[in-house]
Amino acid sequence: VQLQESGPGLVKPSETLSLTCSVSGGSISFSYWSWFRQSPGKGLEWIGYIYYNGITNYNSSLESRITISLDASKNQFSLRMNSVTAADTAVYYCARMMDQVFYDWGQGTQVTVSS
Amino acid sequence: SYEVTQPPSLSVSPGQTASITCSGDNLGYKFVCWYQKRTGQSPVLVIYKNNKRPSGIPDRFSGSSSGNTATLTISGTQAMDEADYFCQAWDISPVFGGGTKLTVL
Repeated sequence: VQLQESGPGLVKPSETLSLTCSVSGGSISFSYWSWFRQSPGKGLEWIGYIYYNGITNYNSSLESRITISLDASKNQFSLRMNSVTAADTAVYYCARMMDQVFYDWGQGTQVTVSS
Repeated sequence: SYEVTQPPSLSVSPGQTASITCSGDNLGYKFVCWYQKRTGQSPVLVIYKNNKRPSGIPDRFSGSSSGNTATLTISGTQAMDEADYFCQAWDISPVFGGGTKLTVL
């Protein structure tokens, strides 16, 4: 399975960050699909995941600002994060999870929050 | 909330054994995964379910877990193993350690 993130590299403060992860080489069904980020000099931060049936689980520290959705017809899933600040500047990764293991990762996409 | 802790850094000479620890309350009762992250690259799963190696991962990578500590061991460390290593367990959601920067010098 291959994953590829896409979306704007620059987002203005207070606006909404939108990223899409395209899945190839396998079906989006029967797996959990997750988002992560890594800010400069920091560790991996789990953002949340969605199961193919639409069930979601979010990081409690971000839950009020994020929505993860899935479009099975396009083999894609997406992240929306509103009210972004400079603290949301990071490399964002999508990943495939099964049995609580993150097996496959996208290459990552840099998102910078700046006016 | 559940937390796991890693040492921030570890240095080894080429050919030596690197042992990276991950600590948490009763961690031995949970499955632990380890991810390698080289600078500028995406994370790679190197160990899952404490001691299982995905296909394509060299057998110099091994894992163990007991009590409150899980350990990633890299035998015969090579320069290409220089990276950040993150442990991951599961509570009601995934829990990651802060990462250990492995320097091979």
